[in-house]
Amino acid sequence: EPEVTQTPSHQVTQMGQEVILRCVPISNHLYFYWYRQILGQKVEFLVSFYNNEISEKSEIFDDQFSVERPDGSNFTLKIRSTKLEDSAMYFCARGTAGANVLTFGAGSRLTVL
Amino acid sequence: AQSVTQLDSQVPVFEEAPVELRCNYSSSVSVYLFWYVQYPNQGLQLLLKYLSGSTLVESINGFEAEFNKSQTSFHLRKPSVHISDTAEYFCAVKETSGSRLTFGEGTQLTVNP
Repeated sequence: EPEVTQTPSHQVTQMGQEVILRCVPISNHLYFYWYRQILGQKVEFLVSFYNNEISEKSEIFDDQFSVERPDGSNFTLKIRSTKLEDSAMYFCARGTAGANVLTFGAGSRLTVL
Repeated sequence: AQSVTQLDSQVPVFEEAPVELRCNYSSSVSVYLFWYVQYPNQGLQLLLKYLSGSTLVESINGFEAEFNKSQTSFHLRKPSVHISDTAEYFCAVKETSGSRLTFGEGTQLTVNP
């Protein structure tokens, strides 16, 4: 059983639409992260989330992005108005060993048309 | 801010040959170092990590990496590769006081029969 489960595995959306990507860390952890990987490029940090608050965010994580953990279980990434350049694989991760070691989910592939 | 350089984007080798995937990092503070592996159409899996202690770390499938502080390197090695080792390998660095994991560009290892 995977330690971090992401849904959907693949989503296709129209430009301008809102998208919500979900992550379910099975164990009870405090540290969560979102990363993305545009096709053919390296994995980029988006945001870290600790104790139900954003602890750090990158330059990529602008106002169209938001994260929350509404029910203490699911950890979501919302993109309000998608752009073509948002097409990427989005990875959720949880932190262990004091958040020094990250365990990643299998990813959600987002395709914006 | 930390950065990671993986000097080789593609490394083709024959089965049972030795391999070295190079990684250099840059940071003004103490860091933790990681290698992640990404098999085709899968997520990121932790291969091995250096947090503290012995500078030589090993994985369960025969890979090893050595932290060299003076050369700011964390090269990945395996004395004899298998076809199943074909994957993309990412070196990553995290400042000991930070939450952001920074990845290199990745090295595609292709093992040929």
